[in-house]
Amino acid sequence: DQQVKQNSPSLSVQEGRISILNCDYTNSMFDYFLWYKKYPAEGPTFLISISSIKDKNEDGRFTVFLNKSAKHLSLHIVPSQPGDSAVYFCAASVASYDKVIFGPGTSLSVIP
Amino acid sequence: DTAVSQTPKYLVTQMGNDKSIKCEQNLGHDTMYWYKQDSKKFLKIMFSYNNKELIINETVPNRFSPKSPDKAHLNLHINSLELGDSAVYFCASSSNLGRVRSDTQYFGPGTRLTVL
Repeated sequence: DQQVKQNSPSLSVQEGRISILNCDYTNSMFDYFLWYKKYPAEGPTFLISISSIKDKNEDGRFTVFLNKSAKHLSLHIVPSQPGDSAVYFCAASVASYDKVIFGPGTSLSVIP
Repeated sequence: DTAVSQTPKYLVTQMGNDKSIKCEQNLGHDTMYWYKQDSKKFLKIMFSYNNKELIINETVPNRFSPKSPDKAHLNLHINSLELGDSAVYFCASSSNLGRVRSDTQYFGPGTRLTVL
């Protein structure tokens, strides 16, 4: 029962271009969404979040878009840098739950 | 100055053994978690403690027992280890009852457990 899906296990992008990482969810009760970034041999670190009352949140080079009707969100990284190469986890939570559900992650490689 | 630390980083052991993984956070957070990342790379929550009280207990075999001596520590003890327990275990903390709207979770570096 995979409530948060990231259908692309990996993605390669040229430095300077846009990286778009996608995430789909099945539970319409989710009302808060997060992206975490993970380097090898390290724990995930928080990147950006969005509440279901918004459809866009921007933080520097990172923008998250939420399409509630499609149960879809995406993370845009512009411009992509080699240091962005990492695994990106999409995550979601519900106000009445005390837990976060993570997707399986997408491995991003930014090629210099 | 590590915010969330775990020991050991690597743990290799035989089936049937009992082992513990320790976690400490120096962020002053009141909620701590254990996650398991399996071979398919899914991060799944196992337990959550708030101020030493168990809040979340997912469907985890009772061979796994978390222990929180104080709100800065959450240790994970595993009895009778099985091959399927091999995974990376992450500790995390947050500053409220796990509601990440105002505070995010901070993760430790992970403990890679290998059961032979």
